[in-house]
Amino acid sequence: RKEVEQDPGPFNVPEGATVAFNCTYSNSASQSFFWYRQDCRKEPKLLMSVYSSGNEDGRFTAQLNRASQYISLLIRDSKLSDSATYLCVVKGNDMRFGAGTRLTVKP
Amino acid sequence: NAGVMQNPRHLVRRRGQEARLRCSPMKGHSHVYWYRQLPEEGLKFMVYLQKENIIDESGMPKERFSAEFPKEGPSILRIQQVVRGDSAAYFCASSATSGRPYNEQFFGPGTRLTVL
Repeated sequence: RKEVEQDPGPFNVPEGATVAFNCTYSNSASQSFFWYRQDCRKEPKLLMSVYSSGNEDGRFTAQLNRASQYISLLIRDSKLSDSATYLCVVKGNDMRFGAGTRLTVKP
Repeated sequence: NAGVMQNPRHLVRRRGQEARLRCSPMKGHSHVYWYRQLPEEGLKFMVYLQKENIIDESGMPKERFSAEFPKEGPSILRIQQVVRGDSAAYFCASSATSGRPYNEQFFGPGTRLTVL
């Protein structure tokens, strides 16, 4: 079993749609959780940290369920510029990245 | 405040040559991480270094790969006797020692290594 598993994707959605990404992790001792975004042939960039109580940043909402070892990212009112690969990242002793889920938002 | 810098951005080597990838962390950061990303795959952790120390090299191949982060100068990822399977994007990231929650990592633009 992979340490961090994500929806395989790809997700192809129209502008304005709501899309949700899921991620599970295997290390119950993991301490911190993040969502990163990676554009094609670019470096990953931090999108948001994921807090135990859940957190929201504009159109983006992240949730954490420690009991189920599950993280989610919800994007509302998706824009063309949201097209990217979204990486679930879990930090224990080091950072472990999921393989990513590719999102394409179409006009 | 410059971000994480990596050079070269593109590196072409023939099989059997050596590849040296350099990474300068963000100002004030003393933790450096190296990752490899194969085409159409996710990031794979390779090594975590602090100044003059390797903290975790559990993701490093046992042979041909080495990394250092000297007291002065950038971190270096060195690949000896490269093979075609080493072709990938190599990303460096850095994080601060303290003062930021969750030790977020900031990535450099990557070095794309092509082995002919």
